[in-house]
Amino acid sequence: ETGVTQSPTHLIKTRGQQVTLRCSSQSGHNTVSWYQQALGQGPQFIFQYYREEENGRGNFPPRFSGLQFPNYSSELNVNALELDDSALYLCASSLGGPETQYFGPGTRLLVL
Amino acid sequence: GQQVMQIPQYQHVQEGEDFTTYCNSSTTLSNIQWYKQRPGGHPVFLIQLVKSGEVKKQKRLTFQFGEAKKNSSLHITATQTTDVGTYFCADPDNFNKFYFGSGTKLNVKP
Repeated sequence: ETGVTQSPTHLIKTRGQQVTLRCSSQSGHNTVSWYQQALGQGPQFIFQYYREEENGRGNFPPRFSGLQFPNYSSELNVNALELDDSALYLCASSLGGPETQYFGPGTRLLVL
Repeated sequence: GQQVMQIPQYQHVQEGEDFTTYCNSSTTLSNIQWYKQRPGGHPVFLIQLVKSGEVKKQKRLTFQFGEAKKNSSLHITATQTTDVGTYFCADPDNFNKFYFGSGTKLNVKP
């Protein structure tokens, strides 16, 4: 076990709705990254948070937004859900920089 | 953004056979990381390579970083059923953006 937890484990939403996914990082880790993994694909980097600030962003539209809290836990918010948003959403925590990333079990989102 | 390409997409081997997956980039990489994802699981960090021409071993797994730092490979000797999963390479790109390859899915027949 990595010590990284995510909630919920599964979620079903309809097009146009909004969703919030949560991640608790491993104790002491100040960096959280979020990824989207479509079926049969590699994880796609959404963004990274370091000490409550967005530290890097992949090629995702602004309706994907995030937060990191003082305890370094994090949220991923997706507005105006589209069918293509159906995927496994992974968060990974680390100490930042070249340190190892530890992935959580993921949240599987289905958009109908 | 940078892209890392992985081949093959799938590999089916008999238990005991060797397996290799390759990762290629059009640009020079500062580092490369390798991950394994079991079916239904999440990616697990295996190793990071930093130096040109670097070779690292973990039991039956051998990781190489090319001399030009544009390619990398993962070789598994004498595969076992516990090796089943998808192997990804990832370009950390200064560690605030990570670009994963599309992965190589390994199936091992007992």
